[in-house]
Amino acid sequence: AQRVTQPEKLLSVFKGAPVELKCNYSYSGSPELFWYVQYSRQRLQLLLRHISRESIKGFTADLNKGETSFHLKKPFAQEEDSAMYYCALSGRGGSQGNLIFGKGTKLSVKP
Amino acid sequence: DTEVTQTPKHLVMGMTNKKSLKCEQHMGHRAMYWYKQKAKKPPELMFVYSYEKLSINESVPSRFSPECPNSSLLNLHLHALQPEDSALYLCASSQKRGTNLNTGELFFGEGSRLTVL
Repeated sequence: AQRVTQPEKLLSVFKGAPVELKCNYSYSGSPELFWYVQYSRQRLQLLLRHISRESIKGFTADLNKGETSFHLKKPFAQEEDSAMYYCALSGRGGSQGNLIFGKGTKLSVKP
Repeated sequence: DTEVTQTPKHLVMGMTNKKSLKCEQHMGHRAMYWYKQKAKKPPELMFVYSYEKLSINESVPSRFSPECPNSSLLNLHLHALQPEDSALYLCASSQKRGTNLNTGELFFGEGSRLTVL
């Protein structure tokens, strides 16, 4: 079964502290993994995808196939990072782009 | 235009009403989606259209009826809904026409918040 697990509903850190949002997945083929973010009163938007191996807004995520994980990391959190973060998996070969979302982690960065 | 536009933003309807949600994109995308999002839950896929043809129906009850009249528009027709259908309905689009490249990026609208009384 295709599944995305985000074990933390809420993660609260202080500004400047490191952040790691956990994501584990279950998928029988070669997965495509993504992180989507939803800032307050804004639409859901792509943060980064594992294929491009990029760093966006200081965030990085590495796909670990052995551990079936795709954790999102940032060395120094900023207040503007406070948002809802969804890990997502592209199923059915990824040819149609439909996504299966994890339950999400709400990140709160305190001053 | 890099946005997905959804109307109405809010809709309140009775269980016997017939209403429609509308979605529009002008990014030349070939795939369009309907997702349902309940409060404090992740989006759940309902339907996928590819080149105006329904390609995925995630076992959605027939009281929800999607329609893709052209390459830019996606509708969701609602009839005889139940109070538990109250949710945020998100439309999304992806994948430039004429390419096989799937970047995985879905462009979401702001959603239509539906309340069924």
